[in-house]
Amino acid sequence: GAVVSQHPSWVICKSGTSVKIECRSLDFQATTMFWYRQFPKQSLMLMATSNEGSKATYEQGVEKDKFLINHASLTLSTLTVTSAHPEDSSFYICSASGGRASNEQYFGPGTRLTVT
Amino acid sequence: KQEVTQIPAALSVPEGENLVLNCSFTDSAIYNLQWFRQDPGKGLTSLLLIQSSQREQTSGRLNASLDKSSGRSTLYIAASQPGDSATYLCVLQGAQKLVFGQGTRLTINP
Repeated sequence: GAVVSQHPSWVICKSGTSVKIECRSLDFQATTMFWYRQFPKQSLMLMATSNEGSKATYEQGVEKDKFLINHASLTLSTLTVTSAHPEDSSFYICSASGGRASNEQYFGPGTRLTVT
Repeated sequence: KQEVTQIPAALSVPEGENLVLNCSFTDSAIYNLQWFRQDPGKGLTSLLLIQSSQREQTSGRLNASLDKSSGRSTLYIAASQPGDSATYLCVLQGAQKLVFGQGTRLTINP
């Protein structure tokens, strides 16, 4: 149980375009979802926290107008990178909590974004 | 502010050796501590989760300890294998926010 999926697993887009990444909890209701990014050779950094039906809370330094997060249902959250630039190229991982052990987070497999 | 430090940053050992990865943290007010492995370009695989009230957890060749008073955790890997090569992350959870260490990049040489 407690499986989280992400789609797509990798994506290449041109500079200036937008790309959407989906995060789904497959067998539990995720009351809270988290979005992280990881630059090469660096640790994961939390970008934002979203609760179902509420606006996401962004970490300091993360542009909320650039990284749009929607958590419209208890099983789906989306991250849209708007007007992507090469410096947005990164590994994006989501996690979800709200399963039986509600204080645990279950991680998705990640999405590799490359902006050319 | 919680800070998590992992030492060493990289480690290379011959196959078959036992090894210890270290994690230290500055704030003992944690809900749990978790060890993950991350393979290149991949997501995270949870290895062991230690709740705040526990002192250690074991799974197969892995053993993780937690000492909140000294702000330390160790991940012990017995009889290392080439397939153990990965980056190992120590992650602390407090009030639903996770704080990640920088990771230890482990290479097991055949």
